[in-house]
Amino acid sequence: EAQVTQNPRYLITVTGKKLTVTCSQNMNHEYMSWYRQDPGLGLRQIYYSMNVEVTDKGDVPEGYKVSRKEKRNFPLILESPSPNQTSLYFCASSRRVGNILNEQYFGPGTRLTVT
Amino acid sequence: AQKITQTQPGMFVQEKEAVTLDCTYDTSDQSYGLFWYKQPSSGEMIFLIYQGSYDEQNATEGRYSLNFQKARKSANLVISASQLGDSAMYFCAMSVAGGTSYGKLTFGQGTILTVHP
Repeated sequence: EAQVTQNPRYLITVTGKKLTVTCSQNMNHEYMSWYRQDPGLGLRQIYYSMNVEVTDKGDVPEGYKVSRKEKRNFPLILESPSPNQTSLYFCASSRRVGNILNEQYFGPGTRLTVT
Repeated sequence: AQKITQTQPGMFVQEKEAVTLDCTYDTSDQSYGLFWYKQPSSGEMIFLIYQGSYDEQNATEGRYSLNFQKARKSANLVISASQLGDSAMYFCAMSVAGGTSYGKLTFGQGTILTVHP
């Protein structure tokens, strides 16, 4: 079954404790991305990757890191989480047709609470 | 910069009737893609339908169709024969091919659809 998986699904942590949210896709998609969703602000892109070893900042990259060492995995790293990073996080992957994204699929989401 | 506007914060429809969710977009790119997603109360984002800017036919996927009017820059989602399970938040989104927004996906604020029995 074609899918994007994220782990963990729920996480409560404390300020400053480094954490990693994993993301994996089995569709051989070149493009992967991370979003956060906050009430009243909608979905905002954090980082994206057009291919292995190619990553770029989205609209809200501060406080986050990513890496793309393999095509299927795109982990999101919070080196020193703060309460304003409490949010619902989505990983997504997409086929590309030329430079246009196509059929972008989302993971189930990770609810992160930073106290 | 790209912008997606969804002007309907909430919509109501009777079960088995059709409903149109509005989406207008703004971009100077000639090459772009338009998406619709459904987010039920459980929180997951479900891909519904995709329309490329050069696609001549309106996209359809089962009960979903995308009414693409390029000159008006609109990409409305039409859901035919609404079901109770269609009650959810719906997002319109856009991806462009070039410029500084290459690779980015821009979302609208969403429309909450409620289907009444």
